[in-house]
Amino acid sequence: AQSVTQPDIHITVSEGASLELRCNYSYGATPYLFWYVQSPGQGLQLLLKYFSGDTLVQGIKGFEAEFKRSQSSFNLRKPSVHWSDAAEYFCAVGPGAGSYQLTFGKGTKLSVIP
Amino acid sequence: NAGVTQTPKFRILKIGQSMTLQCTQDMNHNYMYWYRQDPGMGLKLIYYSVGAGITDKGEVPNGYNVSRSTTEDFPLRLELAAPSQTSVYFCASSLDRPYEQYFGPGTRLTVT
Repeated sequence: AQSVTQPDIHITVSEGASLELRCNYSYGATPYLFWYVQSPGQGLQLLLKYFSGDTLVQGIKGFEAEFKRSQSSFNLRKPSVHWSDAAEYFCAVGPGAGSYQLTFGKGTKLSVIP
Repeated sequence: NAGVTQTPKFRILKIGQSMTLQCTQDMNHNYMYWYRQDPGMGLKLIYYSVGAGITDKGEVPNGYNVSRSTTEDFPLRLELAAPSQTSVYFCASSLDRPYEQYFGPGTRLTVT
């Protein structure tokens, strides 16, 4: 069964600092991978996705993520964090063959210190 | 183009009451989904639909029912509400398989 682990429940960074949020997945084949962001009181918004091809993918709001098959990871990065990036971030994988279900990680909450 | 809309935004139910959470999308998406989000637990799929008249269970369907009579609407019905159904509920839609899902703003439900 597919699964997603986000090891960090809460991360605090200073504005202007770089950011890396970790995501590890378990999946039987080449995965479809996603990062979503949820601002307080809002729904989820897709930041970026990986299906195939270039392992470094660019998303909205200056985010990027790198797929590393050997490490089963899909870490999210941003070179310089803005206060407006404070939110909760979810990594997701799937769907598996014959399935319509994405599997979400439990999320990483990002706090930004001005 | 409103995207995915959900009503109500907040609701308090008493144990044993019933209610319907409304979800509408105006993007002509075939696929629609209902999730619940509990603190520290990520999102769990309740039900999904691949088109009008076709629905199926997700990971946590017990205590819920859905219908899909039109492409636009995908209501979620709670019968005999229980405290375990206290959660935030999100509706989402996608044009094709769940590669890029668009989420509504959510409904915060409390059952007491």
